Amino acid sequence: NAGVMQNPRHLVRRRGQEARLRCSPVKGHSHVYWYRQLPEEGLKFMVYLQKENIIDESGMPKERFSAEFPKEGPSILRIQQVVRGDSAAYFCASSRTGGYTGELFFGEGSRLTVL
Amino acid sequence: RKEVEQDPGPFNVPEGATVAFNCTYSNSASQSFFWYRQDCRKEPKLLMSVYSSGNEDGRFTAQLNRASQYISLLIRDSKLSDSATYLCVVNTGGGSNYKLTFGKGTLLTVNP
Repeated sequence: NAGVMQNPRHLVRRRGQEARLRCSPVKGHSHVYWYRQLPEEGLKFMVYLQKENIIDESGMPKERFSAEFPKEGPSILRIQQVVRGDSAAYFCASSRTGGYTGELFFGEGSRLTVL
Repeated sequence: RKEVEQDPGPFNVPEGATVAFNCTYSNSASQSFFWYRQDCRKEPKLLMSVYSSGNEDGRFTAQLNRASQYISLLIRDSKLSDSATYLCVVNTGGGSNYKLTFGKGTLLTVNP
């Protein structure tokens, strides 16, 4: 029983490059959530997606960040033109039922370092 | 004031000790509360929900004081395997279960 799988676990980018983080939810889960943990801070909600739909992106920065969860394949969190302040751990979670019930299961995170 | 603030720790205790973690939250509209556990470089995992009446799960007891906006976790008879970072988590998303805000965590080390 594979849990939430995230890759890459570690990613280094130079300022201005793009970062793509992937998340495969628990098998059978169709609800995915992304969280960000800045240095010296706790995790904070970014976006909630269901297959092919963004349900809630209220925690997502307005520019340079986007997320998708296509019908086939993993969820992708994309950060364009990265800046040093994007350096953080990005955690993905999934749930079997929707965003109003059910336990969230987290992945081990992807750690982005921007040089 | 930070949204979720925890004891900075770290806590180092001997096996069998009782240890308590405290947490405060700033948003009085917060709806639900949890304690998560995170082992080093691993994913956060739900330890227990926190109910208004207080709740217990084996050696773990969680308490909530809405008036003071304060949450606590008590671990009795601590085991080596309890060594981890304990995260206080608050849901500020109304009826959602996903708009979670995590505290920075408190590191616990249980020593033989």
